[in-house]
Amino acid sequence: EIVLTQSPATLSLSPGERATLSCRASQSVSSYLAWYQQKPGQAPRLLIYDASNRATGIPARFSGSGSGTDFTLTISSLEPEDFAVYYCQQRSNWPLSITFGQGTRLEIK
Amino acid sequence: EVQLVESGGGLVQPGGSLRLSCAASGFTFSSYSMNWVRQAPGKGLEWVSYISSSSSTIYYADSVKGRFTISRDNAKNSLYLQMNSLRAEDTAVYYCARGPVLGEADYWGQGTLVTVSS
Repeated sequence: EIVLTQSPATLSLSPGERATLSCRASQSVSSYLAWYQQKPGQAPRLLIYDASNRATGIPARFSGSGSGTDFTLTISSLEPEDFAVYYCQQRSNWPLSITFGQGTRLEIK
Repeated sequence: EVQLVESGGGLVQPGGSLRLSCAASGFTFSSYSMNWVRQAPGKGLEWVSYISSSSSTIYYADSVKGRFTISRDNAKNSLYLQMNSLRAEDTAVYYCARGPVLGEADYWGQGTLVTVSS
């Protein structure tokens, strides 16, 4: 099973600052990497798919990059509503494996 | 507007069974694959099961294989998860999620809580 490791576990920043979240896979997942945002008491929301494509309705301040084993989610200038938990997720076809990282909590400094 | 509404959660004893449902609206249900994803209290996300649009392809996480069965009724725009031999570690909020492609979930329901306890 492919393991995703997210870092840092918690990131403390202020509104307006730039956030950089990391996701590392235990083996290559090509570009099959997605990012989700989850706020307390809410369902997750898809932000980025295939490593770098923004999902429908996602603001341009969110961007994704990387391929293979190292991926990054960048939020260029934090808005108050961006403070949440972020998960990366991979899928590999053979053998089938769909796993999530443990999450990064983005909190207000 | 895409809507996914889960139901069927509740309290069940270890070894018991439960059937979850997910009612879909706002899109052509029969054209999309679907997923179940769960989240234990205070924990991260765990993918549970996937079913293709025509039900021809089905996958399960190893943790539920042989105990859970995913199905769908395209005429009723509904997704199901039959859960048998439930264990305490199955306690979680269960989300149904639309999957445009395998391994991707672009819309999620609000979830239904399953508690396995004596």
